[in-house]
Amino acid sequence: DSGVTQTPKHLITATGQRVTLRCSPRSGDLSVYWYQQSLDQGLQFLIQYYNGEERAKGNILERFSAQQFPDLHSELNLSSLELGDSALYFCASGRTAGLNNEQFFGPGTRLTVL
Amino acid sequence: LAKTTQPISMDSYEGQEVNITCSHNNIATNDYITWYQQFPSQGPRFIIQGYKTKVTNEVASLFIPADRKSSTLSLPRVSLSDTAVYYCLVGDPRGNTPLVFGKGTRLSVIA
Repeated sequence: DSGVTQTPKHLITATGQRVTLRCSPRSGDLSVYWYQQSLDQGLQFLIQYYNGEERAKGNILERFSAQQFPDLHSELNLSSLELGDSALYFCASGRTAGLNNEQFFGPGTRLTVL
Repeated sequence: LAKTTQPISMDSYEGQEVNITCSHNNIATNDYITWYQQFPSQGPRFIIQGYKTKVTNEVASLFIPADRKSSTLSLPRVSLSDTAVYYCLVGDPRGNTPLVFGKGTRLSVIA
């Protein structure tokens, strides 16, 4: 158990819909990272927040957005969903702002878009 | 951005030592080498990180030669539960370049 929690564990929805994934970092961690893992693309970095501020952006689509709240939990919003958005979405947390420091990954949310 | 190359897959019998080598020819001065382990449908788990020579923890050892252009993750006496994908990553822990996981090495441990 990494100490990072993600909800929901599974999500099934239809194309065009909007969903919100939630992540609670480990106690004391200020950084939250979001990743997408699909069979053909591997694990892709989407975005990082550090202490409430966006710090780094990776391959995140404009239809996707995220935020980190004062209690440090984070939400990833996915809108206008397409079939290709079906994937595992992982959240990770870390103590510092660095992008290559040790990260603790949550169990993931499996999104299925039908 | 340092790119890594590692074998796609490896097989091993239980109880054997497994060595997974990663090439990172254009590693930068401030880059560290980090290995993660991922089981199916789970998030990656940090195994070990090092800069040069040898690093050992309760799970694995990491060997890094002087030129740092490659590294070897050593798993002593593997068991069936070590069957997973292992990722080698290179980057500056204090830098602004995100982790690039690549395809990893799929290790299958056979009884």
